[in-house]
Amino acid sequence: DAGVIQSPRHEVTEMGQEVTLRCKPISGHNSLFWYRQTMMRGLELLIYFNNNVPIDDSGMPEDRFSAKMPNASFSTLKIQPSEPRDSAVYFCASSLFGEEAAGELFFGEGSRLTVL
Amino acid sequence: QKEVEQNSGPLSVPEGAIASLNCTYSDRGSQSFFWYRQYSGKSPELIMSIYSNGDKEDGRFTAQLNKASQYVSLLIRDSQPSDSATYLCAAHTGFQKLVFGTGTRLLVSP
Repeated sequence: DAGVIQSPRHEVTEMGQEVTLRCKPISGHNSLFWYRQTMMRGLELLIYFNNNVPIDDSGMPEDRFSAKMPNASFSTLKIQPSEPRDSAVYFCASSLFGEEAAGELFFGEGSRLTVL
Repeated sequence: QKEVEQNSGPLSVPEGAIASLNCTYSDRGSQSFFWYRQYSGKSPELIMSIYSNGDKEDGRFTAQLNKASQYVSLLIRDSQPSDSATYLCAAHTGFQKLVFGTGTRLLVSP
């Protein structure tokens, strides 16, 4: 079975440019999470969706960040305009909603973003 | 104060020894706790979950939970060089919300 698929794997862009990261969750999973990982701050939850509905976006750092999940098999995280401090690895993860499975997240391979 | 705290390490142990990784959390309402392993350049993967006080064993891994002390630990017996990775402690702090610590780097030397 295919796991969580993220694209692009690597992105190098210049400050001020728009960045769009994409994620395809595992088929049948109904919860999707976007995390950001840096050496200093570790793995931070940005936003998560349940049945395509955003539940908690309190981790989104500022209005430059937005996320959508138009259907059960696709989500995007957009940064506009990008800044050097946005450089990080962005992970998408999915899981099955429900108490027992809720903590079992399946992560994609991540998108490494470098903003110059 | 971070919601989940871990010592960043590195924790160095010789092959065959027991590695002990620790984690504290601040939200007394947290009921579920998880250990993820992350190899360098890779994504995190779940290795253990624990929901009630006490110990839970799975092969060479034992997770321990003490809710009164807000303390979670992971013991790795007979450590192998292949166990060298960063271990992330995570806690449920709300509806479906999983918060991670910054991780402890473990180095197992042959």
